[in-house]
Amino acid sequence: DVKVTQSSRYLVKRTGEKVFLECVQDMDHENMFWYRQDPGLGLRLIYFSYDVKMKEKGDIPEGYSVSREKKERFSLILESASTNQTSMYLCASGKRSGVSPEAFFGQGTRLTVV
Amino acid sequence: GDSVTQMEGPVTLSEEAFLTINCTYTATGYPSLFWYVQYPGEGLQLLLKATKADDKGSNKGFEATYRKETTSFHLEKGSVQVSDSAVYFCALSGIDYKLSFGAGTTVTVRA
Repeated sequence: DVKVTQSSRYLVKRTGEKVFLECVQDMDHENMFWYRQDPGLGLRLIYFSYDVKMKEKGDIPEGYSVSREKKERFSLILESASTNQTSMYLCASGKRSGVSPEAFFGQGTRLTVV
Repeated sequence: GDSVTQMEGPVTLSEEAFLTINCTYTATGYPSLFWYVQYPGEGLQLLLKATKADDKGSNKGFEATYRKETTSFHLEKGSVQVSDSAVYFCALSGIDYKLSFGAGTTVTVRA
């Protein structure tokens, strides 16, 4: 089974802190994604990566950055956390193309910024 | 850019009722289309998919057909159960590898 593991289920951070959210997948997938999920807004794409060291902005990249130094790991960085970044963060991975292009999701990290 | 629009909820149904959730998309080329489901307290999981026009995806009694002429991928189930209560997301994967989601539809099935 594909496994996408996010480093924390729950995090509480203070305003202004630098926050790292880690995601690891074990299926050699090329694509990895970071979303935030907020009530009434669905899933909004923050950043995605289609290869090592490659990154593309999603729909709401402001206030975030990402790092993909190894194929299996995709990190989301909040440079200076703010209360409006309190949210559920979801990581996903998937194959770039082919007969199974779907993405697989981790369990999510619920981040609270106080 | 690519985008997905799905029927807003919430939707409340009685057991054994027919469920339809509408989904339309805008995309360049020929995207792959998906329905994901999120049960209460759980992560997102793939419900079904279709990778080319006229494909029908099906799983757990749910079906959706990729209609290129109407750019739609509506989700249907003929007889829902209480256990189908969840949030359903329509999604597409386009030529730029981006995976875009609709806003989600909350479905509640009452016994």
